[in-house]
Amino acid sequence: QKEVEQDPGPLSVPEGAIVSLNCTYSNSAFQYFMWYRQYSRKGPELLMYTYSSGNKEDGRFTAQVDKSSKYISLFIRDSQPSDSATYLCAMSAEGAGSYQLTFGKGTKLSVIP
Amino acid sequence: KAGVTQTPRYLIKTRGQQVTLSCSPISGHRSVSWYQQTPGQGLQFLFEYFSETQRNKGNFPGRFSGRQFSNSRSEMNVSTLELGDSALYLCASSPKTGRAYEQYFGPGTRLTVT
Repeated sequence: QKEVEQDPGPLSVPEGAIVSLNCTYSNSAFQYFMWYRQYSRKGPELLMYTYSSGNKEDGRFTAQVDKSSKYISLFIRDSQPSDSATYLCAMSAEGAGSYQLTFGKGTKLSVIP
Repeated sequence: KAGVTQTPRYLIKTRGQQVTLSCSPISGHRSVSWYQQTPGQGLQFLFEYFSETQRNKGNFPGRFSGRQFSNSRSEMNVSTLELGDSALYLCASSPKTGRAYEQYFGPGTRLTVT
């Protein structure tokens, strides 16, 4: 079992829809949870990170972490064609494990105008 | 602030050759990490450098090595290239070591081994 599992999609939604992206993980040491967006032929761009459990909102993006279920989500409201990209979840531990990110394989999202 | 820059952006090498990739971090960032991205394995951590010292290393063979200079710029070297080394190599910088949650990535170097 991989440490981080993410449905690769592809996911196709109409413009204006609410998008839900999810990851599950197995390592209970993970404390930081990140979402990255990667456009084709570009490097990953950090969207937001959350420490431990809870919600975090930034504009149209909301990240949720449920540590009891080892499940994280990213919601995109009012999705736009410019949101079409691959979304990667990433996690890191605290202390000795805090130097590296462990990634999911990414979900490819297409927002259709 | 300028972002992380990587050179070259594209590279084609032959099996058995070696290659050196370069990364300049965001100004003021002292930690540089390297990742390999392939369709099959996704993004995998290679190593991290901080204050010119390798602090941490992922599960890659010794053919993969790196170094960091006093200005925080970093290079990564792969010797005796194999076909399976074809990948996007990403560099990420963060202000300090131990803050992977603050890593910002460069555009990557796409390496093709033939």
